[in-house]
Amino acid sequence: GAVVSQHPSRVICKSGTSVKIECRSLDFQATTMFWYRQFPKQSLMLMATSNEGSKATYEQGVEKDKFLINHASLTLSTLTVTSAHPEDSSFYICSARKGFRGGLNQPQHFGDGTRLSIL
Amino acid sequence: SQQGEEDPQALSIQEGENATMNCSYKTSINNLQWYRQNSGRGLVHLILIRSNEREKHSGRLRVTLDTSKKSSSLLITASRAADTASYFCATDALAYNTDKLIFGTGTRLQVFP
Repeated sequence: GAVVSQHPSRVICKSGTSVKIECRSLDFQATTMFWYRQFPKQSLMLMATSNEGSKATYEQGVEKDKFLINHASLTLSTLTVTSAHPEDSSFYICSARKGFRGGLNQPQHFGDGTRLSIL
Repeated sequence: SQQGEEDPQALSIQEGENATMNCSYKTSINNLQWYRQNSGRGLVHLILIRSNEREKHSGRLRVTLDTSKKSSSLLITASRAADTASYFCATDALAYNTDKLIFGTGTRLQVFP
């Protein structure tokens, strides 16, 4: 199997709070993980590519100081939404791919997502 | 935008009918993948078709790929109420030499019992 666990599944917090979301590959190693954001009834928007042991690669328009990504081990990546505001409310999903960078023709395995609500 | 497009955006059918979804993309690819998303959940990988393949089957799923038209289709045969979900195609960004996937806009499928 290829199981990705994402935690927490739901967060409700006050404006100004920083929120950390964890993404773990439970039964495989993943040098690369991906973080997506999804608005209601829309597709997934890639925010950043998380690389184990190096800096994340952010997509255009995504604030790296706002969305901090750490990929300290082959099985764990974290996304921290710093000083969250209501406009950061969204569904955040992580994914991981088996094998090392450049592993072509491999699917991504997704976590169950985190529903973030900022009051 | 790099994002692919899918049509229809929404599809409602009765159980037992077939459902066909289409995907168009913009760049050269290594492969095209189809994913399913139940409401409020993550995505589940359904099928991957390589750029040198034209058709692939998995259970009740049939995927076709036409690289000359940069398009793909997903057919679900003998649909069931449990097939109700959103379906996304995704392509790997060969043209951009990265590992990332570019997702289509998605098709929301509702299957009535």
